[in-house]
Amino acid sequence: DTGVSQDPRHKITKRGQNVTFRCDPISEHNRLYWYRQTLGQGPEFLTYFQNEAQLEKSRLLSDRFSAERPKGSFSTLEIQRTEQGDSAMYLCASSPTSDTQYFGPGTRLTVL
Amino acid sequence: AQRVTQPEKLLSVFKGAPVELKCNYSYSGSPELFWYVQYSRQRLQLLLRHISRESIKGFTADLNKGETSFHLKKPFAQEEDSAMYYCALSGWSGGSNYKLTFGKGTLLTVNP
Repeated sequence: DTGVSQDPRHKITKRGQNVTFRCDPISEHNRLYWYRQTLGQGPEFLTYFQNEAQLEKSRLLSDRFSAERPKGSFSTLEIQRTEQGDSAMYLCASSPTSDTQYFGPGTRLTVL
Repeated sequence: AQRVTQPEKLLSVFKGAPVELKCNYSYSGSPELFWYVQYSRQRLQLLLRHISRESIKGFTADLNKGETSFHLKKPFAQEEDSAMYYCALSGWSGGSNYKLTFGKGTLLTVNP
């Protein structure tokens, strides 16, 4: 499968715990995006990388959130001290420069 | 600020009937508009984009800058068209487009 992959697909955690998600983009796609989707809403932009550089972060991304893309390949999204409001589907997408974004299957986070 | 509005959360039609999913946008510049589709238990995928002016799976969408609309149409709906449809807008920054702003989505059900 050469599509965008995300791991884990599901994560259940207790409030206050830290979680980390991984996204593997399509090979040679230099842009990588993170979105968050809550029930009844469309995906909302969180942040994006061009190669290893994080070029924009949404105001939705509080200080508890951090994303990295070392070496411009896979990316990780970490949430520290999770809150119930963080429960959502976290989507990753990748694209070649200025072109169609291809989405992964998402990681569904449930914070108890 | 960029915004996408899909006024219908749910749309139900019979097989063979015409279908139109509405999308209105707000953006001060020249946006690029997309329709993404999510079939049951599948990932979000691009259906079509206005810049390519294609017809995909019988669907077309015309960008109307005067009415700031990008409605999705199909003359004869099929049961396999049942899915969640998201309209999305991409703004321009530094000469290239990047993050997508999504509407809340319309769930289309095509009844036999």
